[in-house]
Amino acid sequence: AQSVTQLGSHVSVSEGALVLLRCNYSSSVPPYLFWYVQYPNQGLQLLLKYTSAATLVKGINGFEAEFKKSETSFHLTKPSAHMSDAAEYFCAVSDTGGFKTIFGAGTRLFVKA
Amino acid sequence: DAGVIQSPRHEVTEMGQEVTLRCKPISGHDYLFWYRQTMMRGLELLIYFNNNVPIDDSGMPEDRFSAKMPNASFSTLKIQPSEPRDSAVYFCASSLGLKGTQYFGPGTRLLVL
Repeated sequence: AQSVTQLGSHVSVSEGALVLLRCNYSSSVPPYLFWYVQYPNQGLQLLLKYTSAATLVKGINGFEAEFKKSETSFHLTKPSAHMSDAAEYFCAVSDTGGFKTIFGAGTRLFVKA
Repeated sequence: DAGVIQSPRHEVTEMGQEVTLRCKPISGHDYLFWYRQTMMRGLELLIYFNNNVPIDDSGMPEDRFSAKMPNASFSTLKIQPSEPRDSAVYFCASSLGLKGTQYFGPGTRLLVL
């Protein structure tokens, strides 16, 4: 069975600082991995996804994530936080055979001025 | 292109009343998903359709919940009778293909008094 764990329900960074949101997954088959962002009162939007091509995936708004099979991780990073990055971020996993995407519990990112 | 459209955006009702949530997926998408999001349980997949056919409804909490997709451009999620614990944000999402990115609607915020 697949699962995904996001470490830290809340993360706070200063504007201009590095953003690091952690995600670990469990999957018995090669996974597809996703990061979604949810702004207040909106639906989820795809930031980036890994589908077994390059292990470093670049997404929108300057975010990127690296797939590390040995660590079963898919952490999301951004070199310099902006106030507009304040939102909730969800890591998700599905397998290459199925589609039932499993979402993590979410990490709320706060950006301090 | 229009994204996934959901209506109503907000619904306030009294316990015992019937509630119907509506979704119009992105044209051409062949998969449709219904999710529920609460603080306690996070994002939960309730049911999904492929080409208008329900494939997996194992996430539907109980018989009070039902979903239909009479055609490729319309789906409903019905709760009858509604209960206060059904209060949540309900999202509809659609995708093209089994492994396609899911596009979420803005959600319906339901409050059952």
